[in-house]
Amino acid sequence: QSVLTQPPSVSAAPGQKVTISCSGSSSNIGNNYVSWYQQLPGTAPKLLIYENNKRPSGIPDRFSGSKSGTSATLDITGLQTGDEADYYCGTWDSSLSDYVFGTGTRVTVL
Amino acid sequence: EVQLVESGGDLVKPGGSLRLSCATSGFTFNSAWMSWVRQAPGKGLEWVGRIKSKTDGGTTDYGAPVKGRFTISRDDSRTTLYLQMNSLKTEDTAVYYCTTDWPGLGGHWGQGILVTVSS
Repeated sequence: QSVLTQPPSVSAAPGQKVTISCSGSSSNIGNNYVSWYQQLPGTAPKLLIYENNKRPSGIPDRFSGSKSGTSATLDITGLQTGDEADYYCGTWDSSLSDYVFGTGTRVTVL
Repeated sequence: EVQLVESGGDLVKPGGSLRLSCATSGFTFNSAWMSWVRQAPGKGLEWVGRIKSKTDGGTTDYGAPVKGRFTISRDDSRTTLYLQMNSLKTEDTAVYYCTTDWPGLGGHWGQGILVTVSS
């Protein structure tokens, strides 16, 4: 059972915006950097955001991350059909001494 | 270009052992921290463990489900990462991914390799 909670699914029309939340605690999100990952169907995950809000090279600025307290958020603007995927948050948990992933969110483009 | 290629996946009986390899190229392996992440069929991501670079001590950390059974090692001369899995259980069945820990954990991923534990 993951210590990071995400909504199971979110959806929106092409061009719209979706927001994915990731809720944790002081032992993980509250005191550590958060990363976000995208997993397209049948493929390996890909890093979208690291250190709460930084994008690796090649990741479009339609993807943005933020953190406040013990929660983090991934925003996807200008939604495209190619964005249909599972999205996971992840961070270090200082109490568990484990890296923990969120429960995952399926994004559907209507 | 960073490349990570896992190998060694197989069907193994419960209680058995298996060693996965991850051949890497395109980056300075000996200074990289590396991790293994797995994904059971139809499930989410689970961190298996990591190994630091030798210059940072070369120490390892493991997730609770595999601690004491799995061992991560590295051969910097071969730029290869390993995962030795012992006392395998059916719940270890998953696709195993090799990842770099920069710029964040999971900065780069291999294509994954399937390990099936079944009698």
